[in-house]
Amino acid sequence: KAGVTQTPRYLIKTRGQQVTLSCSPISGHRSVSWYQQTPGQGLQFLFEYFSETQRNKGNFPGRFSGRQFSNSRSEMNVSTLELGDSALYLCASSLAPPGLAGAEQFFGPGTRLTVL
Amino acid sequence: KQEVTQIPAALSVPEGENLVLNCSFTDSAIYNLQWFRQDPGKGLTSLLLIQSSQREQTSGRLNASLDKSSGRSTLYIAASQPGDSATYLCATQSGTYKYIFGTGTRLKVLA
Repeated sequence: KAGVTQTPRYLIKTRGQQVTLSCSPISGHRSVSWYQQTPGQGLQFLFEYFSETQRNKGNFPGRFSGRQFSNSRSEMNVSTLELGDSALYLCASSLAPPGLAGAEQFFGPGTRLTVL
Repeated sequence: KQEVTQIPAALSVPEGENLVLNCSFTDSAIYNLQWFRQDPGKGLTSLLLIQSSQREQTSGRLNASLDKSSGRSTLYIAASQPGDSATYLCATQSGTYKYIFGTGTRLKVLA
């Protein structure tokens, strides 16, 4: 069974540009979560989707947005990039939402975004 | 607001030692707690998930316990090996559906 895949793996952008990252969950998983990981802040929760609905959002500015498609694939978009957005962006999928059996999260390899 | 703390931040042990990693959380109203390992520059690998109704979970040389009343979880690694060297992270899932991660423990097992 294929794991969580993320594309692209590496990305270099300049300030002011926008970027779209993609995540394909494990087959059958309907919950997808996104995280930002930086050396200074650690792993921070961005948002979670389940069945195409955003169920929760972390404390990030509106420049960070996402969506989930009917096949459970998810995309994350960051507009007007800032230097501080340079990070490893991780996606995780689970069979069920939190609180239910099957909520174990499985992570993809991440997308390394560098903003110059 | 949930805060998750991991102590120690870094640990270096000789091969073969048994060791314990600690995870503390401030809000006991959690759905579950999950332990991960992360190798440098890589994604996270799930190790164990403990539901709020469970006290412990075991997988091979790993054993994780959960004490919600005291806001603590421990990850026990038996007979450590150099391949266990990585950063270990714990994360809680709470009623707000948010996933809160600890700061991690960087483990180095010396051959």
